[in-house]
Amino acid sequence: SQQGEEDPQALSIQEGENATMNCSYKTSINNLQWYRQNSGRGLVHLILIRSNEREKHSGRLRVTLDTSKKSSSLLITASRAADTASYFCATDDTGGFKTIFGAGTRLFVKA
Amino acid sequence: GAGVSQSPRYKVAKRGQDVALRCDPISGHVSLFWYQQALGQGPEFLTYFQNEAQLDKSGLPSDRFFAERPEGSVSTLKIQRTQQEDSAVYLCASSSTWSGLETQYFGPGTRLLVL
Repeated sequence: SQQGEEDPQALSIQEGENATMNCSYKTSINNLQWYRQNSGRGLVHLILIRSNEREKHSGRLRVTLDTSKKSSSLLITASRAADTASYFCATDDTGGFKTIFGAGTRLFVKA
Repeated sequence: GAGVSQSPRYKVAKRGQDVALRCDPISGHVSLFWYQQALGQGPEFLTYFQNEAQLDKSGLPSDRFFAERPEGSVSTLKIQRTQQEDSAVYLCASSSTWSGLETQYFGPGTRLLVL
């Protein structure tokens, strides 16, 4: 079973708009990561946020983490057609070595 | 190496056949993970190696699945007596950190289809 749940499952926006994806998880974590997967390809790491951090930026990406609510959000600003992909949040299992992925948000950016 | 590589990229097996999937991690990476990804889903953890030691195999779905990393570099995931429900993409990832809790670098995956 998967710990993380992304919301929404799918998102369609126009180029230039912002895209926000949310992730909820169930257990305590050390860090939370976001990955991107283009159709039929491997996953690419986007950003990592640690449990003692609340917000982190990387280029057009902004990630927030609320450990009290066990949730995170990924904001992509000024989206581009090339941002079309599936986005996954992933958390560590503090009791072991697992990385637990959510089911993903499928983002489609229309040119 | 330049990145994580996996072979074969595609594998078609008849039900009951044994398959072996190979992963070449980034040179020097301590941690290696195997995941199974069903269509439309996120990757599901299978197993974790720290060098040659398999420290977590809790995600292996049955005793038909076996993974090894005998010299702490290349890893092989073996599936015996394949079943149709084994059809999925198998992803390998490596990390430079001891715990694997940092950035993981993923290979392109092996797409397995069991007929």
